[in-house]
Amino acid sequence: KNQVEQSPQSLIILEGKNCTLQCNYTVSPFSNLRWYKQDTGRGPVSLTIMTFSENTKSNGRYTATLDADTKQSSLHITASQLSDSASYICVVLPPGGGNKLTFGTGTQLKVEL
Amino acid sequence: NAGVTQTPKFQVLKTGQSMTLQCAQDMNHEYMSWYRQDPGMGLRLIHYSVGAGITDQGEVPNGYNVSRSTTEDFPLRLLSAAPSQTSVYFCASSWGLGSYNEQFFGPGTRLTVL
Repeated sequence: KNQVEQSPQSLIILEGKNCTLQCNYTVSPFSNLRWYKQDTGRGPVSLTIMTFSENTKSNGRYTATLDADTKQSSLHITASQLSDSASYICVVLPPGGGNKLTFGTGTQLKVEL
Repeated sequence: NAGVTQTPKFQVLKTGQSMTLQCAQDMNHEYMSWYRQDPGMGLRLIHYSVGAGITDQGEVPNGYNVSRSTTEDFPLRLLSAAPSQTSVYFCASSWGLGSYNEQFFGPGTRLTVL
């Protein structure tokens, strides 16, 4: 069983709409939780990094939330654009484990006109 | 700054052939790593290095070798390619292993082993 599970697996929305992607993790304890955006044919790019004590972190139209009690995180995208079409990957890092990132399998988002 | 660069972008090998995937970074990062990305799975760590001359194994090291002779370069060698090594390979770098160090990824190498 994956220690980081994401849902939905894929999602199609219309341009201008909002959407929320989910991440459930079992990695415990953990140091921080990250969201990455991966465009097709490119490497992942960091969107947000949240420590276990942070509830929310924003990066432009992207807002990540974290509930450490329920071990859930979400990534909310506001006013979606065609360029938001990508895979969004949730990553969890244990304390002191800079090389022990646990990656989710990602949510594939497609934004259509 | 070019960031993290990888070559080649695409490669097709026959079973048993060997090759080296190149990775370079110009950010003076100490920590570099190699991941593979397979359909339906999260990225998995192959090997990593915490500085020139120091390397260690990750989660899936079998069939791969690495070396780190300079801070900038971290090549990944496939000794005898197998179809199971068909994957997309990403190199990444960061300032260190600290929990809050952001990792920067290269554009990837798509490898097919026939």
